[in-house]
Amino acid sequence: AQSVTQPDIHITVSEGASLELRCNYSYGATPYLFWYVQSPGQGLQLLLKYFSGDTLVQGIKGFEAEFKRSQSSFNLRKPSVHWSDAAEYFCAVGGQAGTALIFGKGTTLSVSS
Amino acid sequence: EAQVTQNPRYLITVTGKKLTVTCSQNMNHEYMSWYRQDPGLGLRQIYYSMNVEVTDKGDVPEGYKVSRKEKRNFPLILESPSPNQTSLYFCASSLRGTVSYEQYFGPGTRLTVT
Repeated sequence: AQSVTQPDIHITVSEGASLELRCNYSYGATPYLFWYVQSPGQGLQLLLKYFSGDTLVQGIKGFEAEFKRSQSSFNLRKPSVHWSDAAEYFCAVGGQAGTALIFGKGTTLSVSS
Repeated sequence: EAQVTQNPRYLITVTGKKLTVTCSQNMNHEYMSWYRQDPGLGLRQIYYSMNVEVTDKGDVPEGYKVSRKEKRNFPLILESPSPNQTSLYFCASSLRGTVSYEQYFGPGTRLTVT
């Protein structure tokens, strides 16, 4: 079955500390992987995506993610978190010819001062 | 400005009273989609449309209808809303229907059915 698991429902990180949000997927074909961010009261915004090639991808707002096929993971990282990064983060997977994204249940990030 | 707009942003209604949530995009996108977001469940696709007059069911289509008569509009219709349809709804669009094209999301419509 196709699925996305985000093991952490809620994470709190101190401002300036590093961040890693976990994402594991199950997908029968070559996966296309995405990270979206949803700020309070806003729609979803694409942070970054991985289709092929270099397994470390850079996104907007200083985020990066690493695709590890052997671990079926696509973890999101940021070296230094800012208070404005507090939001809900969604990992999603789709197929090359697919039309639907399968979303994880999301991880809420809180940033403490 | 390129955007996806939804109206209304907030709606409180009663069981059984038909309602429509509008979605419009100004990017000439072929693909449009509706999702619902519920706590602990993430986003689930309700319906999608690959182009004008072409619609198909997503993962949770029961209780919803859609139409795509114009390229820019993709309204979501609840003929007889029930409390289990209380949710946050998002419309999204992309240039083409495959996931390789970035999906742009509207700001969301928070619906409460009492």
